[in-house]
Amino acid sequence: SQTIHQWPATLVQPVGSPLSLECTVEGTSNPNLYWYRQAAGRGLQLLFYSVGIGQISSEVPQNLSASRPQDRQFILSSKKLLLSDSGFYLCAWSVTSPAVPQYFGPGTRLTVL
Amino acid sequence: QQQVKQSPQSLIVQKGGISIINCAYENTAFDYFPWYQQFPGKGPALLIAIRPDVSEKKEGRFTISFNKSAKQFSLHIMDSQPGDSATYFCAASTDKLIFGTGTRLQVFP
Repeated sequence: SQTIHQWPATLVQPVGSPLSLECTVEGTSNPNLYWYRQAAGRGLQLLFYSVGIGQISSEVPQNLSASRPQDRQFILSSKKLLLSDSGFYLCAWSVTSPAVPQYFGPGTRLTVL
Repeated sequence: QQQVKQSPQSLIVQKGGISIINCAYENTAFDYFPWYQQFPGKGPALLIAIRPDVSEKKEGRFTISFNKSAKQFSLHIMDSQPGDSATYFCAASTDKLIFGTGTRLQVFP
């Protein structure tokens, strides 16, 4: 069965510090991968999606970046965190339409102080 | 035009009752309408989805009703249970998935 892992589960970082969130998927090959952010009490905002290794599409211009070094690994990074980067970060994947995530990971709760 | 408007923001239903969540959209190019269920502290899970060529889709106690002319779709949860208490998101997509802002459902025994 397909499984999606995210870590860490929670993270508290100071403003200006770097960020690296990792997502890995098991049980499928060549998935479409997504990073979403969910602010408190709000909907999900698509940040990045990838249809293959090294292929990243950015939806929202910001100080975040994403990379896909391996087929089932998706990394979200920042060189310098802002207060506004706080939120719940979700990795998701699908094997059908590139636009529609089918399965979401457990998420990372990021608090920037 | 890319927005999906969801209502209500929160909903309280007694056990056994019917929960109804509504969504509306403007972009007639949307061709896929999924609903996601999210429990606190967890990621959303795809619950049920519909395409605009059908007016209704039912899976167990969950039903999507779709009104193409009105550009509206809704989720109905029959015989609501306390375990259904969660936040529900509607969404719509063409080449990108646009989420509604969510409805927090609480089902009381």
